[in-house]
Amino acid sequence: EPEVTQTPSHQVTQMGQEVILRCVPISNHLYFYWYRQILGQKVEFLVSFYNNEISEKSEIFDDQFSVERPDGSNFTLKIRSTKLEDSAMYFCASQYPGGYTFGSGTRLTVV
Amino acid sequence: AQTVTQSQPEMSVQEAETVTLSCTYDTSENNYYLFWYKQPPSRQMILVIRQEAYKQQNATENRFSVNFQKAAKSFSLKISDSQLGDTAMYFCAFMNWASGNTPLVFGKGTRLSVIA
Repeated sequence: EPEVTQTPSHQVTQMGQEVILRCVPISNHLYFYWYRQILGQKVEFLVSFYNNEISEKSEIFDDQFSVERPDGSNFTLKIRSTKLEDSAMYFCASQYPGGYTFGSGTRLTVV
Repeated sequence: AQTVTQSQPEMSVQEAETVTLSCTYDTSENNYYLFWYKQPPSRQMILVIRQEAYKQQNATENRFSVNFQKAAKSFSLKISDSQLGDTAMYFCAFMNWASGNTPLVFGKGTRLSVIA
């Protein structure tokens, strides 16, 4: 069964540093998403991506965040200058009719 | 905007017993999907069960079943013959029925502990 692959599984970064989280979504899916889950809290929508551009973004997705799919396979989330409050699990997902396939997540720790 | 409410932050159940997790939602849409996801300590998101709103029949997947009450906007999950491996966070989620961009809306989750 096709999978969504996320790397790395865990990333530790210094506050103020840039991080790039990577995802390989399922190739024949059209819509791709990033979600965030702060420890102990609910899963929150960040951004959706379709046809090589942002389709929708939430209030959380401010100027510190960007997404791109430069080579048609990898789907990346970049945080330009990380803050302590960016520490969370970040999930990539791709959408098929009637549902989602989630990656196993990247645990980001900002110190 | 849609909202999803899980009113039970934590629950526990004895192994082999049955437990029901509650979920209510609010939407003005008529067609949509509802999901239950399991998140074990590894924090992976695992789909447990899905319900299409147009279907009157409640979805069932082995020991997992739902009680979908569309008029009441209620979508509870029943776990029968609970196993230790069922210990996890459980999230209820809503997805609009539309072609294209339809972000999932999650509830805050219920932490289920299965006790031996």
